[in-house]
Amino acid sequence: EIVMTQSPATLSVSPGERATLSCRASQSVSSNLAWYQQKPGQAPRLLIYGASTRATGIPARFSGSGSGTDFTLTISSLQSEDFAVYYCHQYNMWPVSITFGQGTRLEIK
Amino acid sequence: QLQLQESGPGLVKPSGTLSLTCTVSGGSISSSLYYWGWFRQPPGRRLEWIASIFYTGSNYYNPSLGGRFTISVDPSKNHFSLELNSVTATDTALYYCARLALLSSRRVIDYWGQGTLVTVSS
Repeated sequence: EIVMTQSPATLSVSPGERATLSCRASQSVSSNLAWYQQKPGQAPRLLIYGASTRATGIPARFSGSGSGTDFTLTISSLQSEDFAVYYCHQYNMWPVSITFGQGTRLEIK
Repeated sequence: QLQLQESGPGLVKPSGTLSLTCTVSGGSISSSLYYWGWFRQPPGRRLEWIASIFYTGSNYYNPSLGGRFTISVDPSKNHFSLELNSVTATDTALYYCARLALLSSRRVIDYWGQGTLVTVSS
């Protein structure tokens, strides 16, 4: 099973600043990686798939990069609504195995 | 707007059976474009995939979770379901249903339900 490791566990950033979240896979997942945002009591929301493609309706301040084992989600200028938990997810091995990172909590500094 | 809504008992006794249903609205479960899936997140742990199903009934299970799960679909009711036998406290989790779309030639989870908390306790 591919293990996804996110860092840091918690990130404190001020509104208007840039946030950089990392995700590492225990083996290559090519570009088959997605990022999700989840706020308390809400369903996760797809932000990025294919490592760098924004999902429909996602603002341009969200960008993804990376391939193989190392990936980054960047939020260029944090808005108040961006403070949430972010998960990375590899789907390279679907339907045999799909796995998730443990999440990064993005909080207001 | 597509919506997925999980339903089921919030509390199940140990050794009992858990049954969950995901009702899809704003779209058809019978579309050939999508798979449908169940996921869970135990307290303090990461999300894990349980199983996925196509509207024809073709399905896949997470091999690391053993054989206690059964996924099924009812296109006439536009819903799909999950059954878990012989539950234990370790099955306590927030259970989610979701849709898997074909994006960039791969299955990607593009819509999720809000989740339903299931507690296993006597």
